[in-house]
Amino acid sequence: DAGVIQSPRHEVTEMGQEVTLRCKPISGHDYLFWYRQTMMRGLELLIYFNNNVPIDDSGMPEDRFSAKMPNASFSTLKIQPSEPRDSAVYFCASSHAPGLAGTDTQYFGPGTRLTVL
Amino acid sequence: DAKTTQPPSMDCAEGRAANLPCNHSTISGNEYVYWYRQIHSQGPQYIIHGLKNNETNEMASLIITEDRKSSTLILPHATLRDTAVYYCIVYIPPRSGGYQKVTFGTGTKLQVIP
Repeated sequence: DAGVIQSPRHEVTEMGQEVTLRCKPISGHDYLFWYRQTMMRGLELLIYFNNNVPIDDSGMPEDRFSAKMPNASFSTLKIQPSEPRDSAVYFCASSHAPGLAGTDTQYFGPGTRLTVL
Repeated sequence: DAKTTQPPSMDCAEGRAANLPCNHSTISGNEYVYWYRQIHSQGPQYIIHGLKNNETNEMASLIITEDRKSSTLILPHATLRDTAVYYCIVYIPPRSGGYQKVTFGTGTKLQVIP
């Protein structure tokens, strides 16, 4: 398996523009997670899905952020409009279950480094 | 409130044991201790986990104090490739009946020195 795939790897955009980040989870994994990483706050969980349904989006910072999972092999995280404070590395992860180890181990993608000017 | 406290950074000489401490004084009885690490420019990677007994696998050992208020991750022979940020996480796995949002925090940046 190719692992979790994210695109783009790097994104530079201007304030006010719409940004869409993409993720392809590992085949067969029922859970998909979106995280954001900054120097100040570390790695934060934004939202996670189970069988394509959003389960907990309490980590989504505000209404400018939205996430969808139209099918088991694809998810998007959209920021509209983007702001400089959204600059961060965004990770997608997938797992068989919402745990952290064994069959629940989360496998992370390489991340998307977003810079909003 | 942070569930875990880790030093922000540590150095270790190559070939020596790296001992990374974690304080989790408010841990509850059914919370496990997990360790993940993140090598530069990559996503986090699972290392090891435990409840109350010491654990060992091919990557590391985990020592949990008897009162479970702290733990230590041990990399027995650190290599340059072990340079990474190490996260200590306390969490109730769903199979044990809990639901919690996972919090990775900021971790310990381990620098292995040649």
